[in-house]
Amino acid sequence: DAGVIQSPRHEVTEMGQEVTLRCKPISGHNSLFWYRQTMMRGLELLIYFNNNVPIDDSGMPEDRFSAKMPNASFSTLKIQPSEPRDSAVYFCASSLAVNQPQHFGDGTRLSIL
Amino acid sequence: GESVGLHLPTLSVQEGDNSIINCAYSNSASDYFIWYKQESGKGPQFIIDIRSNMDKRQGQRVTVLLNKTVKHLSLQIAATQPGDSAVYFCAEMQGGYQKVTFGTGTKLQVIP
Repeated sequence: DAGVIQSPRHEVTEMGQEVTLRCKPISGHNSLFWYRQTMMRGLELLIYFNNNVPIDDSGMPEDRFSAKMPNASFSTLKIQPSEPRDSAVYFCASSLAVNQPQHFGDGTRLSIL
Repeated sequence: GESVGLHLPTLSVQEGDNSIINCAYSNSASDYFIWYKQESGKGPQFIIDIRSNMDKRQGQRVTVLLNKTVKHLSLQIAATQPGDSAVYFCAEMQGGYQKVTFGTGTKLQVIP
């Protein structure tokens, strides 16, 4: 079975550029989560959706970050403009329901120069 | 000054021995707990979970123990193999919510 699929796997871009990360959750899962992982702060939840609706975006660092989920099989995380401190690995995860384990994709390694 | 990253505790275990990875969780209201394994270059992978109405749960080669009195969780891996080398995270969740709080992780090194 296909797991959570993220693209791109790696992204290197210059500061000030717009970055778009993509995620396809596991089919049938109704919750989707975006995380960021750094050596400094570990794994941090940025935002999550239930049935395509954003529920909690309190982890989004600032207005430069935005996330959308136009349908049950696709979500994007956008950073505009990007800054070097945004460099991290960004993970998408999905879960079947509340109080069910989240399943993670393999992440996008983002480097902002 | 230079930033300092999280210091991951490391557990080194001889191949074939049993491993025990410990975790102290923070929220006494948490009632669902999960262990994840993260290999280099990959996302966290679900290993086993346990709900607060249980104190022990077993999977294939893994056992999770929950002590709610002292807010402690442990993961036991039997007959540790080189493929078990990874960073292991415990995670806690409060019922009805979906926000998961992850621990800082423990690095398991298996010595062949």
